[in-house]
Amino acid sequence: AQSVTQLDSQVPVFEEAPVELRCNYSSSVSVYLFWYVQYPNQGLQLLLKYLSGSTLVESINGFEAEFNKSQTSFHLRKPSVHISDTAEYFCAVSDFSTGFQKLVFGTGTRLLVSP
Amino acid sequence: GAGVSQSPSNKVTEKGKDVELRCDPISGHTALYWYRQSLGQGLEFLIYFQGNSAPDKSGLPSDRFSAERTGGSVSTLTIQRTQQEDSAVYLCASSLGGGDNQPQHFGDGTRLSIL
Repeated sequence: AQSVTQLDSQVPVFEEAPVELRCNYSSSVSVYLFWYVQYPNQGLQLLLKYLSGSTLVESINGFEAEFNKSQTSFHLRKPSVHISDTAEYFCAVSDFSTGFQKLVFGTGTRLLVSP
Repeated sequence: GAGVSQSPSNKVTEKGKDVELRCDPISGHTALYWYRQSLGQGLEFLIYFQGNSAPDKSGLPSDRFSAERTGGSVSTLTIQRTQQEDSAVYLCASSLGGGDNQPQHFGDGTRLSIL
């Protein structure tokens, strides 16, 4: 069975500082990896995804994540955060063994950006 | 355009009552998912619908939970004889298909509280 581990439940950081949110997965087959962001009282929004090809994927708002197969990781990074990046971030994995995009989520990391 | 719409946004009910949660997916999306987000369990997959095919119910936690999707569009998640552990945010998502390159679009959820 697949699983996703997000070791940090909360990450406090100052505005304009860099940040890394860690994600490790466990699966015996090839997987697809996703990062979702959730703002208060809202649903999840897809931030970025890795399906195949280049191991470095980027979002439109400056986040990037790198797929590392040997370390089974998909850490999310941003070189300079804004106050508006304060939200909860979820890493998810899917292997399509079920025939559809069945997402298994990590427990989430709350990013707190302060001035 | 309109996103995934869920109603009600909040529902408070007494233990033992039945509840119905509604999801209106994005027009044209053939795939529909239900997830549950709770403090103790994080984000869990519940059920998946694809077109007129039989749904994948592998995530439903008990036989008190059921869901249907009428006409390949609107979906209703029903919880019978609610228990306090059913308190959670129920999220619905839809996508153009169930395939790997189709992102899931989430609604804002229904926050269910069982007294």
